Amino acid sequence: EAAVTQSPRNKVTVTGGNVTLSCRQTNSHNYMYWYRQDTGHGLRLIHYSYGAGNLQIGDVPDGYKATRTTQEDFFLLLELASPSQTSLYFCASSERTTGQLYFGEGSKLTVL
Amino acid sequence: QQQVRQSPQSLTVWEGETAILNCSYEDSTFNYFPWYQQFPGEGPALLISISSVSDKKEDGRFTIFFNKREKKLSLHITDSQPGDSATYFCAASLNYAQGLTFGLGTRVSVFP
Repeated sequence: EAAVTQSPRNKVTVTGGNVTLSCRQTNSHNYMYWYRQDTGHGLRLIHYSYGAGNLQIGDVPDGYKATRTTQEDFFLLLELASPSQTSLYFCASSERTTGQLYFGEGSKLTVL
Repeated sequence: QQQVRQSPQSLTVWEGETAILNCSYEDSTFNYFPWYQQFPGEGPALLISISSVSDKKEDGRFTIFFNKREKKLSLHITDSQPGDSATYFCAASLNYAQGLTFGLGTRVSVFP
């Protein structure tokens, strides 16, 4: 069973705060993704990565940085959090040949 | 502009009925169309998928019908069960590695 683990599951911060969301996959997948999910907007791709050290820009990258430190670990960084970044964040991984995304359970972020 | 559109936004059916979920897309280069199922508090999970070379894909009670000329597809859930109550996302991509473009989802409620 493919496994993607996110932490923290819930986070509350204030405007201007610094937040790091972590994701680890044990699937040996090359590709990892960060999505945000919002009512009325569905799932939107923030950043993705082909492998350690690689980073690609998604559809809604403004205000977010990301870093892939190893094949297993992908981090999403919000250096100056804003209320508009209050959302449910999902990490996912995939194997290139199938395209199937395996999602984590999500990290709920609230920016006050 | 939403690249992948879904309708209806929500759908209620009785147990045993067929639920029909619709999806359309803008980019004619999209060639892979998965449907993801999401239960409350969980990440989305792949339900069924189709490529643009096929016009129908069946997996148990779930069937995708695909019309390439009209850039439309639909998901049929036959003999709907209360356990099928979830949000269903239609998605599309050209290249697996670049991630998926998701629709806004259809919330399905199945009443016994």
